[in-house]
This record gives sequence, C-alpha cells and structure tokens, in this order.
Amino acid sequence: GAVVSQHPSWVICKSGTSVKIECRSLDFQATTMFWYRQFPKQSLMLMATSNEGSKATYEQGVEKDKFLINHASLTLSTLTVTSAHPEDSSFYICSAPSGGIYGYTFGSGTRLTVV
Amino acid sequence: SQQGEEDPQALSIQEGENATMNCSYKTSINNLQWYRQNSGRGLVHLILIRSNEREKHSGRLRVTLDTSKKSSSLLITASRAADTASYFCATDASNTGKLIFGQGTTLQVKP
Repeated sequence: GAVVSQHPSWVICKSGTSVKIECRSLDFQATTMFWYRQFPKQSLMLMATSNEGSKATYEQGVEKDKFLINHASLTLSTLTVTSAHPEDSSFYICSAPSGGIYGYTFGSGTRLTVV
Repeated sequence: SQQGEEDPQALSIQEGENATMNCSYKTSINNLQWYRQNSGRGLVHLILIRSNEREKHSGRLRVTLDTSKKSSSLLITASRAADTASYFCATDASNTGKLIFGQGTTLQVKP
C-alpha cells in the first residue's frame, strides 16, 4: 500500500533554532500534503495544506512565517519550524491522499521538543 | 476548524469484550473515517464510510453512520490487548483530504 515516510521521528532543539521535517511519498505521487499538529493527549489539528508547485494554504491562526512549508516535488513536502520556542513542542504529522477506499496515508510523525 | 466530539474519552475493558466508540460531527460530510493511533506513533487508517452508506464491516470492526444525527460509531468485537490505542474519527467535508478530527477515545484492553 501507499507509504509516507516522515523524518526525523523525533528531534530536540534549542530555542531560537530551526527544524526541518520531511515527508516523502514512497510509491505514489502526492500532489497534496496535509500537515497536522497534535499536542499531548489532544487530537490532531490541521495546520496547513501544501500543493506541489504552489504556495501552501495555512489554517486560521497558524503563522505562515513561522511554519514554512515547501512542496518541492510530487514526492516531497517539508515543514520548517523557524525560531522554535518551547510552546512549539508537539507531535507533527503529515498525510497525503492515497485514494480509493483507503482514505489518506499518514507519516509516522515527528516529536519535536524545544528546550 | 470545528472538532468533532467523541465519547467516551476513555474506555477500559477486558479482553474478549466488545468496545463501542461514538463520534458526532457538525457539518455535512462526504465521508467519515476512523483511525487508530498507538501511543506516540502515526495514524493507521481503519475504515472509510461514505455519506450514502449506513454500515460497513472490516474484520472485527463495524462502523455505522447516521447522517441525520451526524453521528458514527465504531464497534470492535472480541477485543484483544493489542487493540489498546487511541481511536479517532475524522470527517472529510470536501473530498479533498482536509480532515477534521474528533477528540479521540483512548481504549485500554486488559489481558
């Protein structure tokens, strides 16, 4: 089945630094990638939608200058958390439509801890 | 985004028992999906039910959808300890993949 590979699976960074998270579709083309954030013991909240070859669409309340999204090719989308702060510590997860009855394929997630 | 409601928030049962989780949503939908998440891991797609379907089965899973009540239920029969996880419903209102997730139900199955 469709696989979305997400890296890194976890990262610890210092306040003020930037972190890049990658999501790759391995055996299908993902023209669209959705980025979600999940705080501990909470549900997933959509942050933004990236489309190959065009600017990402951000949900209300999500700072586009802080969360930079680049959909460089049909198989790669990246999320960069710039000038990270402790409140950005969260579980970030991507998903891409995988078609048919299978819904959407999710990456394995990235646990970001900002210290 | 408006989040759906799920109940119960937490459920603890013995192995072999059935587990039922409910989900309510607020807008019209094209489809509703159920996902499973093991602690600290990604989501696994369980089942998708379209707005014109009322019931769907997959192995030990049974999903119902009542669009008039804007609600869905997930039944796991003959539960196993390995079913311990969080379960989320997610609605797709526009068929674009933009999902709105419920708050989730944490299921614990005791061996």
